[in-house]
Amino acid sequence: DAGVIQSPRHEVTEMGQEVTLRCKPISGHDYLFWYRQTMMRGLELLIYFNNNVPIDDSGMPEDRFSAKMPNASFSTLKIQPSEPRDSAVYFCASSLTGGRKTEQFFGPGTRLTVL
Amino acid sequence: GNSVTQMEGPVTLSEEAFLTINCTYTATGYPSLFWYVQYPGEGLQLLLKATKADDKGSNKGFEATYRKETTSFHLEKGSVQVSDSAVYFCALTPISSGSARQLTFGSGTQLTVLP
Repeated sequence: DAGVIQSPRHEVTEMGQEVTLRCKPISGHDYLFWYRQTMMRGLELLIYFNNNVPIDDSGMPEDRFSAKMPNASFSTLKIQPSEPRDSAVYFCASSLTGGRKTEQFFGPGTRLTVL
Repeated sequence: GNSVTQMEGPVTLSEEAFLTINCTYTATGYPSLFWYVQYPGEGLQLLLKATKADDKGSNKGFEATYRKETTSFHLEKGSVQVSDSAVYFCALTPISSGSARQLTFGSGTQLTVLP
């Protein structure tokens, strides 16, 4: 399996622009997670889906952030409008149903820079 | 709430030195505990895990023992290699089924191994 795939790997944009990050989970996995990593706050869970349905979005920082999962093989995280403080590495992860012992598999991340 | 506290980095060791990275946690009941590793430019990978008290997780020469009495899950390796240079994250998933998927991460510890 190719693992979790994220695109783009790097994104540089200007403040106020819309940014869309993409994720393809491992085939057959039914949970998908979006995380943000910054020096100041470390790794934070933003939102997660089960069977394409958002389960908990309490980590989404503001209404400027939105996430969708239109099917089992694709998810997007959108920031509109983007701000410099959104600069971070965004990770997508997926896992199989199996309870709290189950490993999450992470993608390589998208490094976002908002100027 | 749930939290994970890791020893502050960065940690710099010579090849073949002994490694300990301390991790303590706060959670109700018996969470599952994990160590993830992040190599430069990559996503996180599961290194090892333990799901109940006194369990020992091990992989690639690394070990960690789930200590309920001290709420700790310290990572150890007897002889580090240059290739072990990475950031190491301690994490937990709680016991409650409602949030069973939510990994809570520590701040990460940067390890550099010199030849």
